[in-house]
Amino acid sequence: GESVGLHLPTLSVQEGDNSIINCAYSNSASDYFIWYKQESGKGPQFIIDIRSNMDKRQGQRVTVLLNKTVKHLSLQIAATQPGDSAVYFCAENIRDSNYQLIWGAGTKLIIKP
Amino acid sequence: DADVTQTPRNRITKTGKRIMLECSQTKGHDRMYWYRQDPGLGLRLIYYSFDVKDINKGEISDGYSVSRQAQAKFSLSLESAIPNQTALYFCATSDIRAGSTDTQYFGPGTRLTVL
Repeated sequence: GESVGLHLPTLSVQEGDNSIINCAYSNSASDYFIWYKQESGKGPQFIIDIRSNMDKRQGQRVTVLLNKTVKHLSLQIAATQPGDSAVYFCAENIRDSNYQLIWGAGTKLIIKP
Repeated sequence: DADVTQTPRNRITKTGKRIMLECSQTKGHDRMYWYRQDPGLGLRLIYYSFDVKDINKGEISDGYSVSRQAQAKFSLSLESAIPNQTALYFCATSDIRAGSTDTQYFGPGTRLTVL
């Protein structure tokens, strides 16, 4: 079936370096994509979203890139900090789905001191 | 997000017991959702509601029921809890408006253990 998945379950990054978290999707009818951050013991927190008619969107220290040709989504975190340690989920909202997000399995980001 | 609250935060119960998880929101959103999260996995949708008179099944509704008592309240019930319903449960809300992307805002979660 349609799905959103992640390439890497765990990503270790040196503090201060940039982090890139990847996500692959399979549904061409997606309307927009959202990145969420989930810290230990907490609910997912919205980071940034991007509509399917865009290629790039920037937020504070984060950039999301969308490549519709290869159905790939990435989240770039600049100057990674210890507080960025979390599990990151990409989620997809399919056009005319009327209700729900399709969630990827998540990537755990580990920050090395 | 403090605008979405869940009670209880932790619950241990026995097989066969009826359990109710409560969710309240002060965001004024029309849409509310219940998700389940198992260790190391993503979220799976149990039920969702677009307004007080609207209830819809999600991906894994079997063994669960919901009630949308008011715009701000959405409760999840396990009629007869079983051990494989041990999980982390999240409530979420969203507000679809023209030009928005229906971003969902999550509560802190309820950790449920069924013995």
